[in-house]
Amino acid sequence: ETGVTQSPTHLIKTRGQQVTLRCSSQSGHNTVSWYQQALGQGPQFIFQYYREEENGRGNFPPRFSGLQFPNYSSELNVNALELDDSALYLCASSPLRGGDTEAFFGQGTRLTVV
Amino acid sequence: AQKVTQAQTEISVVEKEDVTLDCVYETRDTTYYLFWYKQPPSGELVFLIRRNSFDEQNEISGRYSWNFQKSTSSFNFTITASQVVDSAVYFCALSESWYSSASKIIFGSGTRLSIRP
Repeated sequence: ETGVTQSPTHLIKTRGQQVTLRCSSQSGHNTVSWYQQALGQGPQFIFQYYREEENGRGNFPPRFSGLQFPNYSSELNVNALELDDSALYLCASSPLRGGDTEAFFGQGTRLTVV
Repeated sequence: AQKVTQAQTEISVVEKEDVTLDCVYETRDTTYYLFWYKQPPSGELVFLIRRNSFDEQNEISGRYSWNFQKSTSSFNFTITASQVVDSAVYFCALSESWYSSASKIIFGSGTRLSIRP
């Protein structure tokens, strides 16, 4: 068990709506990253939070935003949902922000936009 | 630009056969990290191994072994005496160096491995 938990597990939203996904990082981990995994593809990096600040961002539009809280848990917010936003959203926590550490992933939130 | 290529989309073998999953990567960094993750149907990515660019020593862990060859930019993964429980999607991945501000992991497209009884 990795200790990274995500909620909800599944979610169905309508195009144009807004959604918030939540992630509790593993104890002692101050870095949280979010990934989007479309069906049949590998995960793609959305952004990373380190000590409550955004610490890097992938090629995603501004309607994808996030927060990290003092307890290092995190939220991913997506505004103006589009059909292509349907995917598995994975949260990963790590004890360090650099590359020299493994990231521990949660079970993901499967978002369906209709 | 960094890129990870897993040319094998799907592999199916009979239980107890050995199977090798190929991974080729591209990066301009001199310091980088390579990973393998397993994704069972439940969706969670399970960490298998991390290797830094300065350590080309092959590694064996039980039935799993990894062959890192910097000369060919490959980091292949072999399962010996495969079992049905090994059925999953396997991802090879690459991470930027420690000195980067964000340790984003770049994943390949994955290889779906099916082990038939």
